[in-house]
Amino acid sequence: DVKVTQSSRYLVKRTGEKVFLECVQDMDHENMFWYRQDPGLGLRLIYFSYDVKMKEKGDIPEGYSVSREKKERFSLILESASTNQTSMYLCASNRPLGGDSYEQFFGPGTRLTVL
Amino acid sequence: AQSVAQPEDQVNVAEGNPLTVKCTYSVSGNPYLFWYVQYPNRGLQFLLKYITGDNLVKGSYGFEAEFNKSQTSFHLKKPSALVSDSALYFCAVKTSYDKVIFGPGTSLSVIP
Repeated sequence: DVKVTQSSRYLVKRTGEKVFLECVQDMDHENMFWYRQDPGLGLRLIYFSYDVKMKEKGDIPEGYSVSREKKERFSLILESASTNQTSMYLCASNRPLGGDSYEQFFGPGTRLTVL
Repeated sequence: AQSVAQPEDQVNVAEGNPLTVKCTYSVSGNPYLFWYVQYPNRGLQFLLKYITGDNLVKGSYGFEAEFNKSQTSFHLKKPSALVSDSALYFCAVKTSYDKVIFGPGTSLSVIP
């Protein structure tokens, strides 16, 4: 089974803190994604990566950065956390188009609260 | 612009009745369509996908979905709803560069 893990289920941080959210997948997937989920807005793509050291902006990249130094690990960084970044953060991975499986596999999510 | 719409925020259905959760999409080229489910306090789980072939696709937990190209729809269906089907359902479409766009979600409540 594909397994996507996220470093924390719950996080509470203060405004202005630097926050690291870690995601690891064990299926050798090339693509990895970070979303945030907010009620009524569905999942909005923050950043994605289709290879090591490669990254692409999603729909809402402002206030975030990412790092992919190893294929299995994709980190989301909030340089200076703000209250409007309070949300559920979901990591996902999949194989690229042309592979035998297109669906994404999701981690359990990290609920981040910024005070 | 490429997008996914789920016109109903909430769907209520009695246990044992058929259920439908609606999804329409707008995407250039051939669509790759997905349904995911999120149970309370759990991550998203893949239900089913349409890539090519038969317009009716079957997935997990007895769910199926019908792809309708002319109506650009991909509605999720189940012949007989269970209380345990109560969850948040997301429709998604895969675009070029492997980007996946999600709809806003539909909350399904199955009433005993």
